[in-house]
Amino acid sequence: DARVTQTPRDKVTEMGQEVTMRCQPILGHNTVFWYRQTMMQGLELLAYFRNRAPLDDSGMPKDRFSAEMPDATLATLKIQPSEPRDSAVYFCASGWDLTGELFFGEGSRLTVL
Amino acid sequence: AQTVTQSQPEMSVQEAETVTLSCTYDTSENNYYLFWYKQPPSRQMILVIRQEAYKQQNATENRFSVNFQKAAKSFSLKISDSQLGDTAMYFCAFMKHGGDDMRFGAGTRLTVKP
Repeated sequence: DARVTQTPRDKVTEMGQEVTMRCQPILGHNTVFWYRQTMMQGLELLAYFRNRAPLDDSGMPKDRFSAEMPDATLATLKIQPSEPRDSAVYFCASGWDLTGELFFGEGSRLTVL
Repeated sequence: AQTVTQSQPEMSVQEAETVTLSCTYDTSENNYYLFWYKQPPSRQMILVIRQEAYKQQNATENRFSVNFQKAAKSFSLKISDSQLGDTAMYFCAFMKHGGDDMRFGAGTRLTVKP
């Protein structure tokens, strides 16, 4: 059963530390999205890729966040340095642009102390 | 940018009854997709139903159906014969044709009562 795989599932870190979240999209999908979910802001679009190329990362704080797709099987979201306000659940989703449907991973819950 | 509005933060329904969740959106696009996703306490985002804007026929998936009114930019979700397992957050979402820029509403927390 194909699924989007995200690691880590849960992460607790201290302010100032680097955090890297990883996502393995479903094989054959050509779009990858990163979202952040908080109680206050809901689901925020951070960045998305098509065919590994970044299309829009305007939702990300540029000074500390970066998103990359080093290859078709891996997407990464990095925060350096992390801050308590970054505490949230981060979702990765992949899809095929011709069907307009996204499949979500289980999310990575980040807590920054 | 596209915006999605869900005006009902919380709703409740008795088991076996029918409930309708509302969603409106704003876009200048003519061709796009609309979705309803369900997020149970496990936090997994699960696709409930999908509608393509060029299709006039409303999408249906078992007990879930939508009322898509393109001119009014409205996309409501009807859940028939509600079950306890339907208790979850429900998110309405909009995506431009071509798989770009998927945006979500704030969500509606649905509770099904026994």
